[in-house]
Amino acid sequence: EAQVTQNPRYLITVTGKKLTVTCSQNMNHEYMSWYRQDPGLGLRQIYYSMNVEVTDKGDVPEGYKVSRKEKRNFPLILESPSPNQTSLYFCASSQRMTGADTQYFGPGTRLTVL
Amino acid sequence: DQQVKQNSPSLSVQEGRISILNCDYTNSMFDYFLWYKKYPAEGPTFLISISSIKDKNEDGRFTVFLNKSAKHLSLHIVPSQPGDSAVYFCAASASGTYKYIFGTGTRLKVLA
Repeated sequence: EAQVTQNPRYLITVTGKKLTVTCSQNMNHEYMSWYRQDPGLGLRQIYYSMNVEVTDKGDVPEGYKVSRKEKRNFPLILESPSPNQTSLYFCASSQRMTGADTQYFGPGTRLTVL
Repeated sequence: DQQVKQNSPSLSVQEGRISILNCDYTNSMFDYFLWYKKYPAEGPTFLISISSIKDKNEDGRFTVFLNKSAKHLSLHIVPSQPGDSAVYFCAASASGTYKYIFGTGTRLKVLA
């Protein structure tokens, strides 16, 4: 089954404790992206990757890091989480990044930073 | 500055009637527009899209209209069904930018 998986689905942590949210896709997609969803703000793009070892900032990259060492994986790293990073996070992938390419989203990771 | 705006946070429609969800954008460089549907506890799923060279795209009960001069697009659902109850996001992209800009979403409730 073609899918995007994220782990963990739920996470409660404390300020400053480094964490990683994993994302994996089994569709051999080139393009992957991370979003956060917040009430009243919709989905905002954090980082994206056009292919292995090629990443770039989205609209809200502060406080996040990413890496793309393999085509299928695109982890999101919070080196020192803060309460304003409490949010619902989605990973997505598509074959390429053209407007015509549909993004497939993972189920989401709900993160709470105390 | 919100480049893609969905000014109606919520919408209620009777089953069988038409649902119209609206989206406005400010960036004239956007050349592709998409609608995604999101159910609770799930990720968004693609619904329908339209290129800026078209003004209408239809897929079954779903039709998207694009008015470039007004920088406005709308999603029509006819007839609306209770299973259509979800949050709908519009999104836009500009060729060569590798970015998607999403709106804030509209929660549609279809009443049986």
